[in-house]
Amino acid sequence: QVQLQESGPGLVKPSETLSLTCTVSGGSISIYYWSWIRQSPGKGLEWIGYISYSGNTNYNPSLKSRVTISVDTSKNQFSLKLNSVTAADTAVYFCARSGYCNDGRCYGFPFDYWGQGTLVTVSS
Amino acid sequence: DIQMTQSPSTLSASVGDRVTITCRASQSISRWLAWYQQKPGKAPELLIFDASSLERGVPSRFSGSGSGTEFTLTISSLQPDDFAVYYCQQYDTFSQGTFGQGTKVEIK
Repeated sequence: QVQLQESGPGLVKPSETLSLTCTVSGGSISIYYWSWIRQSPGKGLEWIGYISYSGNTNYNPSLKSRVTISVDTSKNQFSLKLNSVTAADTAVYFCARSGYCNDGRCYGFPFDYWGQGTLVTVSS
Repeated sequence: DIQMTQSPSTLSASVGDRVTITCRASQSISRWLAWYQQKPGKAPELLIFDASSLERGVPSRFSGSGSGTEFTLTISSLQPDDFAVYYCQQYDTFSQGTFGQGTKVEIK
């Protein structure tokens, strides 16, 4: 059973960088696609970006200038960095996997496994 | 950018009711649509992908239909465990994944 677990600081100061890590267990991170999604308090879901098994990345255009997603296959982890944060970045951050493959090719959507989510508050 | 609009925003229903949620895309997305269920304090769970394919382990009372710009999620007989928020997500180009704003299914 694949499991994902987010970790990182729960409080980040405005203008600083939000950094989170997702640890994958029960399966290799060297296949499939791996995403970050966030949900502001009481609001809907916003896809942030993904990284592929080969290291290719793709980001939500609205966040692209501030986001970096990377992968560490030796630790079976992938990470999110979001810089220059403001209060608007306060949200529950989820990591997720897309195990969607067709005709020998895998894709970044949809998400079949999710982490439990971690609340990150941006405040001084 | 493709925008996704769900209706209604809130739906009140009783156990045993047939429930239908609609998701409309601002342009054609073929059949590249997923539905998720989210309960309070939990991560979303995938129900349906490719508009009508049931994810493994999801009860058969859930079904999806549609193509192009209009899609529906139907729960054939609402169960107590189904009271939750439901989101659609488009992935037309597989490079962006826009969610709808959500539909809350509450007890009538």
